[in-house]
Amino acid sequence: GENVEQHPSTLSVQEGDSAVIKCTYSDSASNYFPWYKQELGKRPQLIIDIRSNVGEKKDQRIAVTLNKTAKHFSLHITETQPEDSAVYFCAARYNFNKFYFGSGTKLNVKP
Amino acid sequence: SAVISQKPSRDICQRGTSLTIQCQVDSQVTMMFWYRQQPGQSLTLIATANQGSEATYESGFVIDKFPISRPNLTFSTLTVSNMSPEDSSIYLCSAEASYNEQFFGPGTRLTVL
Repeated sequence: GENVEQHPSTLSVQEGDSAVIKCTYSDSASNYFPWYKQELGKRPQLIIDIRSNVGEKKDQRIAVTLNKTAKHFSLHITETQPEDSAVYFCAARYNFNKFYFGSGTKLNVKP
Repeated sequence: SAVISQKPSRDICQRGTSLTIQCQVDSQVTMMFWYRQQPGQSLTLIATANQGSEATYESGFVIDKFPISRPNLTFSTLTVSNMSPEDSSIYLCSAEASYNEQFFGPGTRLTVL
């Protein structure tokens, strides 16, 4: 099966700075990589995703990059705001089947 | 996207009893999933529920403890049977919408005394 590792576990940045969260996966057959944001007491929300035939995707202040050769993908948040504070999870989907989640990154944006 | 609702949103149960959690999707979906999330932890997949076939359970989860129904393409239930305090957790259902996208329900917060 797939194994997804996520780093760092916690990340503290100043408002306006950039934040980067990195994930690695083990199975080259994984082909879909979503990122979720979970605020305290709320459900995980899909914020951006990338498929294995794409190297980079951007949506306003959020971008995701994928390096298939190295089997890693990253979430980039620019111009961070206090409302970006949450736990972020990466995931990899293996063979059009189930999703494997990373361990999560708690992002704290200090005003 | 898919809009997913769950019932109940929370419950407090006695040891040895069972609780059935309902998950409703606003559109027909092929795959639905059930997860457990302990406070401050990641999501742990319990099982995959496909309509018309038995659920597929992950290692460490068994049908006798977590029976799942999937009677149609918009609905699923998860039962937590013979509960113990170790079953206290948040249970989340999810559904795959189009193009692999997975959306989550709001979760059921279960406390077992």
